[in-house]
Amino acid sequence: AQRVTQPEKLLSVFKGAPVELKCNYSYSGSPELFWYVQYSRQRLQLLLRHISRESIKGFTADLNKGETSFHLKKPFAQEEDSAMYYCALDPSNTGKLIFGQGTTLQVKP
Amino acid sequence: DGGITQSPKYLFRKEGQNVTLSCEQNLNHDAMYWYRQDPGQGLRLIYYSQIVNDFQKGDIAEGYSVSREKKESFPLTVTSAQKNPTAFYLCASTETGNSYEQYFGPGTRLTVT
Repeated sequence: AQRVTQPEKLLSVFKGAPVELKCNYSYSGSPELFWYVQYSRQRLQLLLRHISRESIKGFTADLNKGETSFHLKKPFAQEEDSAMYYCALDPSNTGKLIFGQGTTLQVKP
Repeated sequence: DGGITQSPKYLFRKEGQNVTLSCEQNLNHDAMYWYRQDPGQGLRLIYYSQIVNDFQKGDIAEGYSVSREKKESFPLTVTSAQKNPTAFYLCASTETGNSYEQYFGPGTRLTVT
C-alpha cells in the first residue's frame, strides 16, 4: 500500500541547531514528493518539492530511493521555522496527495 | 485578491443533519480537492475533481458528496451517513491534475453534536 510515515510527532530544537524532519514513503514507482508547511494561523502551503531540487528558507530535502526517504533538513534552525510540517507523496501524478501524519517543529530561543 | 475561500470558518450541526461546506477559487485552476484533517492522522483525501462536471472519490469518501458545476466552486456535503463528521476540512486547488503546487483554503472546522 502507498503510505507516508513521519515518525516524529514533535521535534524540539534550540535556535541555531541543525534540524532533520524524517519522512519515509512506501511506493514502488518513481515518486513525486513534497514538503508542505503550516505556520501558526496561516494556511497550509508548499515548502518544496523534490523535482525542483531547490532550497527554500534554507531547507533542503533529498530523495533517497534506496531508503525510500525524503528527509527535510536545515543546518541552522530559526525561531520562525516553528510550524507543522507535512511530507506528501503523489503516486499517480494526478495531484492525489498522500500525506504523512505531520511533525510539529518547535525551535526554542 | 486571488485565492481560495472556504466558508464558514466554524460550523456547528446536530447529528442527523446534512451540512454543506463551501469552497470557491478565483485562480482559474482546473483541479480541486477536499481533505479532512484529524489530529495525528495528517490530511486524508475525500474527493477530487480535475474538470468541471467530473469528480472522483478519494480515500475516505463514504458519507460525503460533492458537485462541480462551475470551475470556481467545489462544495462538499457532509451527510448524516458520515459516522464521525467532526473534523477540520481543507479545500485545495491546482492548475492541473499533475504534481503542481496545491493551494489551500483556510479551512472549516465542523462540529457535530
